[in-house]
Amino acid sequence: DGGITQSPKYLFRKEGQNVTLSCEQNLNHDAMYWYRQDPGQGLRLIYYSQIVNDFQKGDIAEGYSVSREKKESFPLTVTSAQKNPTAFYLCASSIGQLNTEAFFGQGTRLTVV
Amino acid sequence: SQKIEQNSEALNIQEGKTATLTCNYTNYSPAYLQWYRQDPGRGPVFLLLIRENEKEKRKERLKVTFDTTLKQSLFHITASQPADSATYLCALVFTGGGNKLTFGTGTQLKVEL
Repeated sequence: DGGITQSPKYLFRKEGQNVTLSCEQNLNHDAMYWYRQDPGQGLRLIYYSQIVNDFQKGDIAEGYSVSREKKESFPLTVTSAQKNPTAFYLCASSIGQLNTEAFFGQGTRLTVV
Repeated sequence: SQKIEQNSEALNIQEGKTATLTCNYTNYSPAYLQWYRQDPGRGPVFLLLIRENEKEKRKERLKVTFDTTLKQSLFHITASQPADSATYLCALVFTGGGNKLTFGTGTQLKVEL
């Protein structure tokens, strides 16, 4: 089945540790996105990539890093510099044209203790 | 920067009635506007897309309007059902912004029997 997969669904980390969230898609999409969602809030864009080996900062990139070495994969690293890392993280992909829908993964709920 | 506003208060309506949700934006003109549905703990699911030169779009019980003068989109669900209860998010792609997909804060809809 085609789709976008995030893993794991739940992740716990100690404060001060970096953690990497996985996002893989087999939809042959060019564009991929990472969003953060806090309770009762909308989605805030962290990073996005329109093509392999290229990515741009979103609205809240500080404390995060990404890579796009393969078309299928767009991992997100939450670094120790991120002051409030506990949140629900959503990855999405789209064909890449302006008028196409985004497909979302199931999300990863990160808790930093 | 772009700002997208949705009513943060939950909308409670009776089954069978029409639900109307609002999405307002400021500053730049969007090329496309999309509506998504999000259930608790899940990623958003695409519902409808409307272009800046379109006034209205329909899909089954859903209708979206787009007024670029008022900088507003309205999302209607007719003959609402309890299964329509969810959070609804609008998302915009702004002209000149590449494929940056920016979301509003979402409005929670509760359809009661």
